[in-house]
Amino acid sequence: NAGVTQTPKFRVLKTGQSMTLLCAQDMNHEYMYWYRQDPGMGLRLIHYSVGEGTTAKGEVPDGYNVSRLKKQNFLLGLESAAPSQTSVYFCASSYGDKKETQYFGPGTRLLVL
Amino acid sequence: GDSVTQMEGPVTLSEEAFLTINCTYTATGYPSLFWYVQYPGEGLQLLLKATKADDKGSNKGFEATYRKETTSFHLEKGSVQVSDSAVYFCALSRYGNKLVFGAGTILRVKS
Repeated sequence: NAGVTQTPKFRVLKTGQSMTLLCAQDMNHEYMYWYRQDPGMGLRLIHYSVGEGTTAKGEVPDGYNVSRLKKQNFLLGLESAAPSQTSVYFCASSYGDKKETQYFGPGTRLLVL
Repeated sequence: GDSVTQMEGPVTLSEEAFLTINCTYTATGYPSLFWYVQYPGEGLQLLLKATKADDKGSNKGFEATYRKETTSFHLEKGSVQVSDSAVYFCALSRYGNKLVFGAGTILRVKS
């Protein structure tokens, strides 16, 4: 049982490049989330999903897109990376009547030059 | 909107010292309150939670009491260890699955 895994662990991009971050969970959780973590600001919700095929915007969705084609995977896309998107990205999942208890992945560190 | 305010860090303590990390919140109604911990190089994990006023959450020697009258959820531990060194996040949830996090407090424990 791997829990929540994220790929890649670290990536450097040039401004304008695109990339996709992959989150996978093997706990059969309905809910999945993408956060970004910036110094002094805690975690901010980018997008989330309440089930396969559904997505919704969080607090800071601009510049990102997401997809949840399979229940176990939640993809975060950056179509045209900007230096302001330099951050650590965390994926999380939760389930059922304990959906407030979220399980986090180890994070992806992204540097946009 | 909803918000969480934590004391600024880093907090540096000697082993076996008493720990308090302050957390206050702003939200209408009755949110659920949480403390998450992030150890170096890892993702966040739930430390404890409380879902209604006067509830006390506890885990691994840490405690926090939901104080509605002061809108606070301070984290305490009687005797910290080096292994407690981490970043601690206070959070609230008012809409089910959505969490609102504080900025985090770095704790460093010296032997």
